[in-house]
Amino acid sequence: DAGVTQSPTHLIKTRGQHVTLRCSPISGHKSVSWYQQVLGQGPQFIFQYYEKEERGRGNFPDRFSARQFPNYSSELNVNALLLGDSALYLCASTFGTSGGDTQYFGPGTRLTVL
Amino acid sequence: AQSVTQPDIHITVSEGASLELRCNYSYGATPYLFWYVQSPGQGLQLLLKYFSGDTLVQGIKGFEAEFKRSQSSFNLRKPSVHWSDAAEYFCAVGAGNSGYALNFGKGTSLLVTP
Repeated sequence: DAGVTQSPTHLIKTRGQHVTLRCSPISGHKSVSWYQQVLGQGPQFIFQYYEKEERGRGNFPDRFSARQFPNYSSELNVNALLLGDSALYLCASTFGTSGGDTQYFGPGTRLTVL
Repeated sequence: AQSVTQPDIHITVSEGASLELRCNYSYGATPYLFWYVQSPGQGLQLLLKYFSGDTLVQGIKGFEAEFKRSQSSFNLRKPSVHWSDAAEYFCAVGAGNSGYALNFGKGTSLLVTP
């Protein structure tokens, strides 16, 4: 079975631009979460979506938004990019939303903002 | 809010030696605890998790972890380290339903010497 897939793998943008990152969860999983991992740090939670509804949001500005589609895939959008948005963006999928559910991570999208 | 501390930023171990990576958490109730491993440029792979029952948890790749409520710790151990274990290790805590998120520590970088 395919794991969590993310696209693109790498991305280079300039300050002020907009970016869209995509994620496809494991087949049968209905929940997708997004994390930002800055170099040298642990991942930080951005959003969780379950059945197309936002179920949780981390401490990120409104420039960050996301949505989930009927097939449970998800997009993360970031507007007005800043240098500090340079990071590895990780997507994780789970079957449900229980705290004990294992989150399976994709390989990530490396975003560089110049 | 729940949080995780990994006191050791870097650890160096000789191949074949034993390993213990420390993790301390802060949470009012019994937390869901996880250990993930990240190889360079890769996503996160789950090693093991704890949310109830036996406090000694067995994971993949020969790893185990022990939950100690009295010490608020969830240390990761391996009796004999292999060169392929060199990676970044993250401890994480999650809690509850409806939009739960994983809070990660800053990670411990493991170097394995010949």
